[in-house]
Amino acid sequence: EDQVTQSPEALRLQEGESSSLNCSYTVSGLRGLFWYRQDPGKGPEFLFTLYSAGEEKEKERLKATLTKKESFLHITAPKPEDSATYLCAVQDGGSNYQLIWGAGTKLIIKP
Amino acid sequence: ETGVTQSPTHLIKTRGQQVTLRCSSQSGHNTVSWYQQALGQGPQFIFQYYREEENGRGNFPPRFSGLQFPNYSSELNVNALELDDSALYLCASSPETAMNTEAFFGQGTRLTVV
Repeated sequence: EDQVTQSPEALRLQEGESSSLNCSYTVSGLRGLFWYRQDPGKGPEFLFTLYSAGEEKEKERLKATLTKKESFLHITAPKPEDSATYLCAVQDGGSNYQLIWGAGTKLIIKP
Repeated sequence: ETGVTQSPTHLIKTRGQQVTLRCSSQSGHNTVSWYQQALGQGPQFIFQYYREEENGRGNFPPRFSGLQFPNYSSELNVNALELDDSALYLCASSPETAMNTEAFFGQGTRLTVV
């Protein structure tokens, strides 16, 4: 059964303190791994798609990487506006295009 | 280019009632997916519509049903509401059903069943 596990559940950082969020997955043939950001009371906002192990993508202070078993979302010198819940989702080789989601990591950046 | 819009934003219903949630997809998008997100959890896939036909369904009972219209807008209907149906319902649109296509989400409808 496909499964996505995100850790930690919550992370508090000081402004400027870099860290990484983890997304571990089990799928029968990965079609794509997606990272989204979700602010309270809003829908998820697309950040990245990764397709194969070794791939990396960057956007401002965020960098996503992918291995055969997990993905990391690295955040460098974060700012308070980076505070949000970060969600990871996977699409497997046999699915009807549905995304399987993790529970998210709630990131809080203190000024 | 307009984004994905959902209505209503908030809704309170009584157990046993029926509810209809609406979604207007982003311009140019012909695929709509619906998700249920409980508090503190990731979204759970309900179903997807492509060109007015159901294109896939998650592990939800038949009392969850949907429609997609010729303009690609969509409805989610839930019959015989239960307390556990209380959640944020998200609609996402994408340009096609092909894999690895990013989906654009609406702001969601917060449904409370009492």
